[in-house]
Amino acid sequence: DQQVKQNSPSLSVQEGRISILNCDYTNSMFDYFLWYKKYPAEGPTFLISISSIKDKNEDGRFTVFLNKSAKHLSLHIVPSQPGDSAVYFCAARTEYGNKLVFGAGTILRVKS
Amino acid sequence: KAGVTQTPRYLIKTRGQQVTLSCSPISGHRSVSWYQQTPGQGLQFLFEYFSETQRNKGNFPGRFSGRQFSNSRSEMNVSTLELGDSALYLCASNELSSYNEQFFGPGTRLTVL
Repeated sequence: DQQVKQNSPSLSVQEGRISILNCDYTNSMFDYFLWYKKYPAEGPTFLISISSIKDKNEDGRFTVFLNKSAKHLSLHIVPSQPGDSAVYFCAARTEYGNKLVFGAGTILRVKS
Repeated sequence: KAGVTQTPRYLIKTRGQQVTLSCSPISGHRSVSWYQQTPGQGLQFLFEYFSETQRNKGNFPGRFSGRQFSNSRSEMNVSTLELGDSALYLCASNELSSYNEQFFGPGTRLTVL
């Protein structure tokens, strides 16, 4: 039962353009959503998050959008840089505890 | 502050053996969570420990167990290893006041032959 889905296994974008990574979820009890970035041989690194009471959160080049009615969130990276090439995981949390439910990840390749 | 550390980084075992992985959280972090990452499956939550008590558990068989010590360091154990247990095992820690942002270690790559 995949409660968090990232339907695009990979995405390739030209340097300087926008990268849009998508994530869908099924559990309406999720109250917090996070994006993590992971390089090979390293653990995931927290990138940006959004509470379910908001629809947008911005941090520098990274913006996360949440559409609760569609149970959909997206991460926008503008402008994309080669150093952004990594695996991006979407994660969601319910009210209780520290259990994060992760998607399968999307490999982003930014070409220079 | 030093980050989350995990030992060993790489491990090779054979079917039927057991293994113990170790995790030292960031100083001051009392919550430690464990995740299994396999190709195409993302990260699957194993369990969470806080103040030496298991607070939350994922859908893994009883062969997977863990514990936490008084200094917040944590270990996870997998008994009777199966080929399907080959994965990257990640540990994450966070403070009480910030349930949302978990800090991950580099992981232990376990290969079961």
